[in-house]
Amino acid sequence: KQEVTQIPAALSVPEGENLVLNCSFTDSAIYNLQWFRQDPGKGLTSLLLIQSSQREQTSGRLNASLDKSSGRSTLYIAASQPGDSATYLCAVRTSGTYKYIFGTGTRLKVLA
Amino acid sequence: EAGVTQSPTHLIKTRGQQATLRCSPISGHTSVYWYQQALGLGLQFLLWYDEGEERNRGNFPPRFSGRQFPNYSSELNVNALELEDSALYLCASSLAAGAASSYNEQFFGPGTRLTVL
Repeated sequence: KQEVTQIPAALSVPEGENLVLNCSFTDSAIYNLQWFRQDPGKGLTSLLLIQSSQREQTSGRLNASLDKSSGRSTLYIAASQPGDSATYLCAVRTSGTYKYIFGTGTRLKVLA
Repeated sequence: EAGVTQSPTHLIKTRGQQATLRCSPISGHTSVYWYQQALGLGLQFLLWYDEGEERNRGNFPPRFSGRQFPNYSSELNVNALELEDSALYLCASSLAAGAASSYNEQFFGPGTRLTVL
């Protein structure tokens, strides 16, 4: 059974810092992994999708990497801004299924 | 292009009642997924519909049900509401299952906040 864990649960950093959010999963037979952002009380915004055959994806200040063999993904945020404050969720789609298993998220606060 | 839409935004019901939540997918998407985000429990997969059929179901009791209409919109019905059903219900859509070009990336709606009193 796939389990997804995110560390840390919460993070508070000053504006301008580069930061790394971690996601680990127990079953390496995945189809893809998706990172999302969720603002309080709102839906999810897709940030990056990494296929199982890919090592990383980049979008603006965001870079996500995937290491299937070790069951890990990281989301790197460069030059953080107060507008980046949100909860970041990773979700894994295990091979042979079409549903995502979500981690419990990392609550990020970027201080001005 | 319009994203995934959900209605209502908020819904307040009492224990034992039924709730109906609605979702319209992105145009061209045929798969709809429902998730429950209860306080302290994270996002849990509920149901997946594709081409009008229920394809997969999460670990929820049968009083959680739904359907997908010919226009690919979807309804989630929750019968005999219990206090612990209070949650944010999120709907997502993707291109057809097996559509290689999108790798089934899921796009989420804003959610329906269900409160059971």
